[in-house]
Amino acid sequence: SQKIEQNSEALNIQEGKTATLTCNYTNYSPAYLQWYRQDPGRGPVFLLLIRENEKEKRKERLKVTFDTTLKQSLFHITASQPADSATYLCALDMNDYKLSFGAGTTVTVRA
Amino acid sequence: SQTIHQWPATLVQPVGSPLSLECTVEGTSNPNLYWYRQAAGRGLQLLFYSVGIGQISSEVPQNLSASRPQDRQFILSSKKLLLSDSGFYLCAWSGSTNYGYTFGSGTRLTVV
Repeated sequence: SQKIEQNSEALNIQEGKTATLTCNYTNYSPAYLQWYRQDPGRGPVFLLLIRENEKEKRKERLKVTFDTTLKQSLFHITASQPADSATYLCALDMNDYKLSFGAGTTVTVRA
Repeated sequence: SQTIHQWPATLVQPVGSPLSLECTVEGTSNPNLYWYRQAAGRGLQLLFYSVGIGQISSEVPQNLSASRPQDRQFILSSKKLLLSDSGFYLCAWSGSTNYGYTFGSGTRLTVV
């Protein structure tokens, strides 16, 4: 079965800097890779989806890259703000109704 | 617009008691529905998914069950809760396999 690893449990950065989160997976490349934001005690909120034939996707200050050769996705938050502090989850969609999630990386942005 | 409702928000139940968590979706038809569980500091574990009324697929053998009596209603149940059933239960829906999921606000279940 797929193993999903997010690079670190916690990431602390200064406001205005770029946060870069890593999601690595084993075995087969997913049809789609998704990123979510989760605040404490809340359900995850969908942010971005990138397809296996796409290299990069952007949404406002967020950017996601997908490298099927490295079996890796990078998630960037540019010009970070304290409001970006949350846990970010990557999820693999094998196009089989079974979205598999990583454990997440908790980002803390210091003012 | 589509909305998803999940209740209750918190629940404390004794070991051996039954469980029923309900999830409903509004503003869409024939959604794919999911139940996930999240242990403290862990990722989301898929428990059940449904692609239509009465169609339930189970991912993890356990003492939980799910039912979909109506198109936009998804219920998670247990006849006898175990301590290990404690966790944060999340219901979600999607329109397709290539769409992001929309999650409910979750139920924090503590079995004592």
